[in-house]
Order: sequence, then structure tokens, then C-alpha cells
Amino acid sequence: AQKITQTQPGMFVQEKEAVTLDCTYDTSDQSYGLFWYKQPSSGEMIFLIYQGSYDEQNATEGRYSLNFQKARKSANLVISASQLGDSAMYFCAMREGRSGANSKLTFGKGITLSVRP
Amino acid sequence: EAGVVQSPRYKIIEKKQPVAFWCNPISGHNTLYWYLQNLGQGPELLIRYENEEAVDDSQLPKDRFSAERLKGVDSTLKIQPAELGDSAVYLCASSLGLSAYETQYFGPGTRLLVL
Repeated sequence: AQKITQTQPGMFVQEKEAVTLDCTYDTSDQSYGLFWYKQPSSGEMIFLIYQGSYDEQNATEGRYSLNFQKARKSANLVISASQLGDSAMYFCAMREGRSGANSKLTFGKGITLSVRP
Repeated sequence: EAGVVQSPRYKIIEKKQPVAFWCNPISGHNTLYWYLQNLGQGPELLIRYENEEAVDDSQLPKDRFSAERLKGVDSTLKIQPAELGDSAVYLCASSLGLSAYETQYFGPGTRLLVL
């Protein structure tokens, strides 16, 4: 089974509107971290937001927020007030275990977001 | 604070030629990662270093790929000989430590094209 699933093939949003990018994950660990990265056409992976499995509050970073539903194993990214510069690929990733052997990031296949003026 | 630095940004080589990529992590980050990203896919881990020690290289094709991290700072990833299927983006990342809660910060990547 895939550990990170991003099934939306491509998303379009009007400038200044909000958009939700879906991510579901699969793990049997109790301790894990969930991350969202943005990858514009330049290729760099830009860290956006992080949610720990024990965090009770949904993470927020400026216009980014994470809708964390632990029972459903989903960690959707919400971008408010979309800007043209938000057009990029967005990757959801998970890191399992408190430390040591399972510290690699497992990425989903990504979602393409296009912001329309 | 400087981010993760990678060079070159782009490399075009013919198959069977050797190629090397260089990475300088964020200052103070003990853990360094090399990822491979194929077109339309998420990155996949090739090798992970904790200081000088390669602690996870299970995904590294050791017949042609090698890596080193001398003195626990800079790292070099080498392919010899390169094959057509090696065309991809090679990303380097670093983090303070190994825990699940540590954020990994990525460099701009090296885009390799093997002809």
C-alpha cells in the first residue's frame, strides 16, 4: 500500500480564492510527522508546513493551514487567498518513527496547482 | 542563513560517462540526504548520512552510484558510468537531526540529462 496518496491530478483555483489539496497517509506508527512542500518550475523543494502526530491543534503558517484528521489519516493543505505565485507542484510527505531508522521522508506523487488571474 | 547549496544546477552528459554532484548543507545540520526525483514523481531517498556515516543506503544502486561525506559537511554523489535511465533531478537535503519532527530543507537540485 502507498504510504502517501495524492489523487487529485491537477487543481485550478481563481486568484484570491482558497483551495484545498488532499493528502491521505498510511502508517502503523504512533509517532510521525507530516510535511507539505511546494516545488515551482525552478525545481527547488520549498518547505511549507509541518504537523506532528501528537499535535492537537491544526498547524498554520501564514496563508497555509493543515486540516489534520488523524482518525481518517488525512492531512489536507489549505491555501487561502491564492496568488499567482502559488502555481506549482505540491507534495505531501511523511516521516515515521520518533528517530533513527525510519527517518526518511516518503513523498506522494504530488498535485499540480494552477492559479488563474 | 544560507540554504542548502548544490552544484551544478544542470548537467548534460553522454551515456557511459561519469558525473558528480556536490552538496553543501545548512550550517550545523548533521543529517544529509540525497534524493532522486523522476519526472512527475515525488523524490525518493538514495542515501542518508548522519555526520560522516552513511546510515541508510539501501536504495543506492551500488554498482554505479557512490557517495561520500568527508568531514561530515559537504557531500558528493557520483554516477559511473551513467545510463539513459539516470536522467532525473538529484536533490540534496539536510536537517538538524533524525527525529520524525525535524524538517528537511532541500537544495535547488541538479538536473541531469544523459544522452
